[in-house]
Amino acid sequence: KAGVTQTPRYLIKTRGQQVTLSCSPISGHRSVSWYQQTPGQGLQFLFEYFSETQRNKGNFPGRFSGRQFSNSRSEMNVSTLELGDSALYLCASSPMTGFAGELFFGEGSRLTVL
Amino acid sequence: DQQVKQNSPSLSVQEGRISILNCDYTNSMFDYFLWYKKYPAEGPTFLISISSIKDKNEDGRFTVFLNKSAKHLSLHIVPSQPGDSAVYFCAASAQGTYKYIFGTGTRLKVLA
Repeated sequence: KAGVTQTPRYLIKTRGQQVTLSCSPISGHRSVSWYQQTPGQGLQFLFEYFSETQRNKGNFPGRFSGRQFSNSRSEMNVSTLELGDSALYLCASSPMTGFAGELFFGEGSRLTVL
Repeated sequence: DQQVKQNSPSLSVQEGRISILNCDYTNSMFDYFLWYKKYPAEGPTFLISISSIKDKNEDGRFTVFLNKSAKHLSLHIVPSQPGDSAVYFCAASAQGTYKYIFGTGTRLKVLA
């Protein structure tokens, strides 16, 4: 079974631009979560989707948005990029409807904002 | 407010000895806990989980202990191997929140 796939793996943007990251969950997994990892900050929760519905959102500005499609694939978008948005963005999927359980992570998309 | 804390940024252990990684939390509503291992340039890899109805869970060389009264959990790795050198994250979730809160990680170095 294929794991969680994130694209692109690496990207460089400049301040003010916007970026879209994509995540394909493990087949059959309907819950997709996004996390931001920066040095010293651990993993910060961005949002979680289940069956195209956002069930929770982290404490990030409105420039960060996401969506989930009917095939469970998910995208997140960051508009008006700032230097501080440079981070590793991780997507995770879960088979659990009620959420509690293991998260399966992708390898992440490393965003550098210049 | 950091609800999940890993107060030791780093830990060095000799090969073959026990590694003990600690994690403290403040939210008494957390009822499910995970431990992950992360190598550079890779996504986190799941190690072991524990529900709040248990105080111990074991899987091979990995054992997680949960002390609910102290709001503390620990991961024991016995015996430690050089391949265990990585950053370890604990994470906690409360039912109905659909999210995990992660600690800031502990970098474990196992010395050969």
